[in-house]
Amino acid sequence: DTGVSQNPRHKITKRGQNVTFRCDPISEHNRLYWYRQTLGQGPEFLTYFQNEAQLEKSRLLSDRFSAERPKGSFSTLEIQRTEQGDSAMYLCASSLGAGANVLTFGAGSRLTVL
Amino acid sequence: KNEVEQSPQNLTAQEGEFITINCSYSVGISALHWLQQHPGGGIVSLFMLSSGKKKHGRLIATINIQEKHSSLHITASHPRDSAVYICAVAGNNDMRFGAGTRLTVKP
Repeated sequence: DTGVSQNPRHKITKRGQNVTFRCDPISEHNRLYWYRQTLGQGPEFLTYFQNEAQLEKSRLLSDRFSAERPKGSFSTLEIQRTEQGDSAMYLCASSLGAGANVLTFGAGSRLTVL
Repeated sequence: KNEVEQSPQNLTAQEGEFITINCSYSVGISALHWLQQHPGGGIVSLFMLSSGKKKHGRLIATINIQEKHSSLHITASHPRDSAVYICAVAGNNDMRFGAGTRLTVKP
């Protein structure tokens, strides 16, 4: 297992288009987190899954955002009708169990909305 | 007020200097993480601690649960230590991140 994998690494899209990011966590990790990071800021929590169940969503996650983890393995984060303010790095992380366990991050997917 | 505050925001040091980065938090936590993010790179976990002190090479992390404060120390700093260091606190369900401390170590 080579760690947490995210793709695409960089996505450039026009405003109003839909984009989807994929995260493949470490295989035995049951928790999967999505974060958003803008330039010069620390990551902001978006949502997390325990296995296939989405247990918490941040108020940052508007109705244009949806995340799934259908089989408790990989996860997708979809942004519909993208806006320029959505431009950010979208980070995925996974862990075995709750927050008191080591968190492993992916390299991130950078979104640029023109 | 942010739940996780880091200081300083930016830090420039000369090679060989002793570095301290501070993190204060205002929520109950199960653990605190120190993370390192290189420019354009992913985030790497340096430490996870819930009490006391941990050491790994030239890095030392301490936490005082009563005071809700943690410090990350780098001894004999080196230019390759230049990165953003992020403090993150873990609750039962999610994590809250500090804004990061940008460290530049000059040769």
